[in-house]
Parts: sequence; C-alpha cells; structure tokens
Amino acid sequence: SQTIHQWPATLVQPVGSPLSLECTVEGTSNPNLYWYRQAAGRGLQLLFYSVGIGQISSEVPQNLSASRPQDRQFILSSKKLLLSDSGFYLCAWSPPDSHSGNTIYFGEGSWLTVV
Amino acid sequence: GEDVEQSLFLSVREGDSSVINCTYTDSSSTYLYWYKQEPGAGLQLLTYIFSNMDMKQDQRLTVLLNKKDKHLSLRIADTQTGDSAIYFCAETPRGGSASKIIFGSGTRLSIRP
Repeated sequence: SQTIHQWPATLVQPVGSPLSLECTVEGTSNPNLYWYRQAAGRGLQLLFYSVGIGQISSEVPQNLSASRPQDRQFILSSKKLLLSDSGFYLCAWSPPDSHSGNTIYFGEGSWLTVV
Repeated sequence: GEDVEQSLFLSVREGDSSVINCTYTDSSSTYLYWYKQEPGAGLQLLTYIFSNMDMKQDQRLTVLLNKKDKHLSLRIADTQTGDSAIYFCAETPRGGSASKIIFGSGTRLSIRP
C-alpha cells in the first residue's frame, strides 16, 4: 500500500531563516506531488505541484520554492522566511493517471511558526 | 472561475444527524469529494462520488449530489464525538489533472453532548 510521510511535524523558525520541509511517498511510482498551505481558519491553498522529477509548477507567487530531486521526494524550501509564511503545510500525492478519479492523498502536515 | 463554497461552522447534538452542504460552480465537474481533517492532522479522504451518480452511501455516510443546483451534501448519521473535525468539499473538472482539484474552505463540525 502507498504511504506518504512529511517532516518535521512541527517547526519554529525565526524571521529570515531558511526552511526545508521534506516529503516522501512509498508504494507507488511517478506520482503527482503537491504542497498545500492551510492558514489558520482558512481553506487549502495549492502552492506547488509536480508531475515528474525536476518538473515543478508554481500556483502562487511567494518566497517559497519546491524541488523534486527524486521520483518520490518533494521538498519545500525558503531562503528567508517571513512572518506570513506561518501555517500548516500539507504534502500530498495522486496517482499519475486520471482513471482513479484524481484522488489526492495527504500527509500528516507540518506546523510552521515563524517568530 | 471555479469555486467551491461551504458554511464555516456546524454544531449538532450527539446522536443526531449532521448535514454538511457544499455548492460548486464548475458544471463540468467529474468527481466530487469529501475530506475529513482532525485537529492537527492531514486530510483524510472520506468518500467521493462520480458526477453521473445522485447518491452514494457508505455505512453512516450518505453523499447526495444535485447536479442541477450544483449542490453536494454529506450526511453523517448518529453523529459521535469522534466525528468532530473539519470537513472539506472538493471537486475536479472534467479532463483536469488532480492539480486542478478545488477545495472549499472547510466546515468545522462540533458535537454537543
């Protein structure tokens, strides 16, 4: 069965410091990978998605970036965090084809607090 | 553009039925989903329905789809304290990749004793 893991689960970082959140998926090949952000009391905002190694699409302008160095690894980064980057970050994956209903499966999330 | 809307809060008494409503704008939607998010956790897929279906039932969960009104609902029978969570409605347009899944803002369900 497929599993998704992301870490760290909780992070407190000062303003201006770098960020690296990592996500890996097991049990599937060539998944679509996603990073979402959920600000407090708000819905989900798609930040990045990737359909393959080295292929990253950005949905919103921001000081965050994403990379996919391996097929099942997705990394969310920032060189200098802003206070507004605080939130709950969710990694997710979906099967590479559309026949399964485009269902997205989420990791457990990472709480980021920028202080 | 596409949009998915849901009310932010719902409070029900334990043992009663909960009905969470959602409206969407994209008439070409092929799949509609309900996700559950417990406090501090990721989203868990509860159920989904194809757009050519009107109803889907899975144990205590019943999903109703009214394509004419673009209205989706999730009914939870015999609501329990463990059902306390945020419930997200989502839809994906016809032919769209999963990156085009649109999520609502979530409905926070709270249970009264």
